Amino acid sequence: GAGVSQTPSNKVTEKGKYVELRCDPISGHTALYWYRQSLGQGPEFLIYFQGTGAADDSGLPNDRFFAVRPEGSVSTLKIQRTERGDSAVYLCASSLSRRDGYTFGSGTRLTVV
Amino acid sequence: GESVGLHLPTLSVQEGDNSIINCAYSNSASDYFIWYKQESGKGPQFIIDIRSNMDKRQGQRVTVLLNKTVKHLSLQIAATQPGDSAVYFCAENMATGNQFYFGTGTSLTVIP
Repeated sequence: GAGVSQTPSNKVTEKGKYVELRCDPISGHTALYWYRQSLGQGPEFLIYFQGTGAADDSGLPNDRFFAVRPEGSVSTLKIQRTERGDSAVYLCASSLSRRDGYTFGSGTRLTVV
Repeated sequence: GESVGLHLPTLSVQEGDNSIINCAYSNSASDYFIWYKQESGKGPQFIIDIRSNMDKRQGQRVTVLLNKTVKHLSLQIAATQPGDSAVYFCAENMATGNQFYFGTGTSLTVIP
């Protein structure tokens, strides 16, 4: 597609529930990133994929967070047993290579109530 | 973690004036820098980048200056327009790193 697409744009879930956030990167971009942005803050790194593999997941806050990219294109960020502190905007970005500037999607605003 | 900070959290300028947004970074190993613009409800948008082998780079109405000696980055916007109102982030990257480190942002408001 022309840009990075993220769905849903908004997600409200109850504490303890499981959520999946989807990212459809720019076609041909092998590098894919997930970032999390809290209100008034800059984005914070979660995980980086190069192709199908998670090359760096050092930013995932705990084992409730997991992400996959099975075919090297679409990626899903999965959060188990959601907590109110998980509320944030989750941003996906893609690039041609690790050292290129990213194109970000518009994000998914997750609210845990 | 890395520290990427901005000197001013907010900046107001008159339409038509030039804007300067500053950013300090702490990691001398960082060698690639990007400025992003983020409008409300949208993801960050790439504006301009610069690598450490340069000290100045120009785009359309924007210029980025890099001073490696004092670890300082600035974004200059010429003839600022109402559409430039947004939050601006600087982000840094190291050759050995997989992520960009973002500062907290500067909110630019253009007064018509």
